[in-house]
Amino acid sequence: DVKVTQSSRYLVKRTGEKVFLECVQDMDHENMFWYRQDPGLGLRLIYFSYDVKMKEKGDIPEGYSVSREKKERFSLILESASTNQTSMYLCASSSTGNEQFFGPGTRLTVL
Amino acid sequence: QQPVQSPQAVILREGEDAVINCSSSKALYSVHWYRQKHGEAPVFLMILLKGGEQKGHEKISASFNEKKQQSSLYLTASQLSYSGTYFCGTEGDFMKTSYDKVIFGPGTSLSVIP
Repeated sequence: DVKVTQSSRYLVKRTGEKVFLECVQDMDHENMFWYRQDPGLGLRLIYFSYDVKMKEKGDIPEGYSVSREKKERFSLILESASTNQTSMYLCASSSTGNEQFFGPGTRLTVL
Repeated sequence: QQPVQSPQAVILREGEDAVINCSSSKALYSVHWYRQKHGEAPVFLMILLKGGEQKGHEKISASFNEKKQQSSLYLTASQLSYSGTYFCGTEGDFMKTSYDKVIFGPGTSLSVIP
């Protein structure tokens, strides 16, 4: 079975903290994605990566950065967390032209 | 740029049919459909490609009108297990490269009741 895992299911951080969200996939997929999900807004793409060390901005990259040093791992970084970044964060991976497999999500609360 | 989905929400009784629509203002290369049950990750249903190719579940049907930049997902003889939020995702034709950037819509909440 394809597996996409995320480092935490729930995370509580304080305003201004640096936050790392980790995502690992075990299917050798070249594409990896970070989304945030908020009620009524659906899945909004933050960043995606189509190869190691390659990244592209999605629709809402402001306040976020990413890192992909290894093919299986894609990290989302909040340099200075703010309360408006409280959300559900979903990671996904795919091989080009095929379905995306999603991780279980990380519910981040910024106080 | 986000596709529009309609309806926003629908309630069905078991055995009834439903159609969920997805439309974009831009030319499309593909349309993706996913279902997310409460508290779970989204799960793939189908990809419809420009030119008519489809990938996905045999029991789910969908259409893709390339000229109108629209897709519809057809849920027939609904079961309780169909409940969830359905997302369409669109991939722009002008953006097609060697990687996939899919933009998802806001979702349609579907509830099937006994």
